[in-house]
Amino acid sequence: QVQLQQWGAGLLKPSETLSLTCAVYGGSFSGYYWSWIRQPPGKGLEWIGEINHSGSTNYNPSLKSRVTTSVDTSKNQFSLKLSSVTAADTAVYYCARLRREHNWNYDYYYGMDVWGQGTTVTVSS
Amino acid sequence: SSELTQDPAVSVALGQTVRITCQGDSLRSYYASWYQQKPGQAPVLVIYGKNKRPSGIPDRFSGSSSGNTASLTITGAQAEDEADYYCNSRDSSGNHVVFGGGTKLTVL
Repeated sequence: QVQLQQWGAGLLKPSETLSLTCAVYGGSFSGYYWSWIRQPPGKGLEWIGEINHSGSTNYNPSLKSRVTTSVDTSKNQFSLKLSSVTAADTAVYYCARLRREHNWNYDYYYGMDVWGQGTTVTVSS
Repeated sequence: SSELTQDPAVSVALGQTVRITCQGDSLRSYYASWYQQKPGQAPVLVIYGKNKRPSGIPDRFSGSSSGNTASLTITGAQAEDEADYYCNSRDSSGNHVVFGGGTKLTVL
């Protein structure tokens, strides 16, 4: 059974860089996209970005200038960095496994079937 | 388009059937996925693809789609189904993932 375990700093000051890592246990790392999602207090889910095992990425246009994701296939881990954080970045951050099959001829999206436990990140001076 | 629209709140009497809808142009090209989220917990995928349920999801949950609208139906709602429900898909370009704003389901 695949499990995702995530960790990272929970309290940041404005202008600092948020850094989170998610480890994949019990399943294949290749063949999937690995995604980051966040949820501000009392609000809905917001997609941050995704990366596959070969390092191909897509990012939310509203966050693209501040987001970097990476993979470490030797450790079955992927990471998120969000620079220049402000109070608006305060949220619970989740990692998730995303299933998508696509090529030049078709594109099937199957959602995010495995989620990490979430990390609460607070930005405050 | 990069938006998915959901009703903010829906209620259903215990044991009755409820439909939660999600509208967006990208749903003409992509199936919606549906997630259940209870307070303090991570979202759980309940429907994906063409009406597929992950292992462990009760068969009272089903999905359908028509045009630009996707629906999640709970047939015989139980008290434990009270939660927030989010739809999710890719945008029309396929390059980004989008979520609906969420629907709070109350079981009366």
